[in-house]
Amino acid sequence: ILNVEQSPQSLHVQEGDSTNFTCSFPSSNFYALHWYRWETAKSPEALFVMTLNGDEKKKGRISATLNTKEGYSYLYIKGSQPEDSATYLCAFTSGSARQLTFGSGTQLTVLP
Amino acid sequence: GAVVSQHPSWVICKSGTSVKIECRSLDFQATTMFWYRQFPKQSLMLMATSNEGSKATYEQGVEKDKFLINHASLTLSTLTVTSAHPEDSSFYICSGSRENTEAFFGQGTRLTVV
Repeated sequence: ILNVEQSPQSLHVQEGDSTNFTCSFPSSNFYALHWYRWETAKSPEALFVMTLNGDEKKKGRISATLNTKEGYSYLYIKGSQPEDSATYLCAFTSGSARQLTFGSGTQLTVLP
Repeated sequence: GAVVSQHPSWVICKSGTSVKIECRSLDFQATTMFWYRQFPKQSLMLMATSNEGSKATYEQGVEKDKFLINHASLTLSTLTVTSAHPEDSSFYICSGSRENTEAFFGQGTRLTVV
């Protein structure tokens, strides 16, 4: 059973604060690590797919890093805005399998 | 990104009846479709993986005779919850994947069995 863990489970920050969350995953047989943003009543939206150790990806104020050797990824949000409020999911793919194993998510609330 | 359309968004059904949920990939061919279930305050849990034209592979603990999955074409997969019971009430969501790329999610279906 693949174990993907995310922390913290939930987070409240003030508008303008920067924040980050963690995703840990098995370090063996790594294939890809995905980050999704899931807003209420919408489909999860893909943010990043990372495959290489040391990968850093950025989209606007959101960025992510990947360490496959130690099995973790960080998601950073700079200058949080209320519209960033969502559940952030990470998902791990092992070997050449195309199925994703999800963490339980980090629920972010940005207070105005 | 690619779009997966899932219907219905929510459904209430009587115990003992069957419910069909559809997922269509609108602008790409989903060679693989994943079906997930999420109970309150829990993570998305994979139920089954289906490849177009072949039988679905079910995760341990998921009854294949209860959750019928059909993936007859590259753009359509269905999940039928047969003889639904209140404990089947959950959030069901599909995601379609092209070859070795990221998965794209449907909007999810909230099922309530009364």
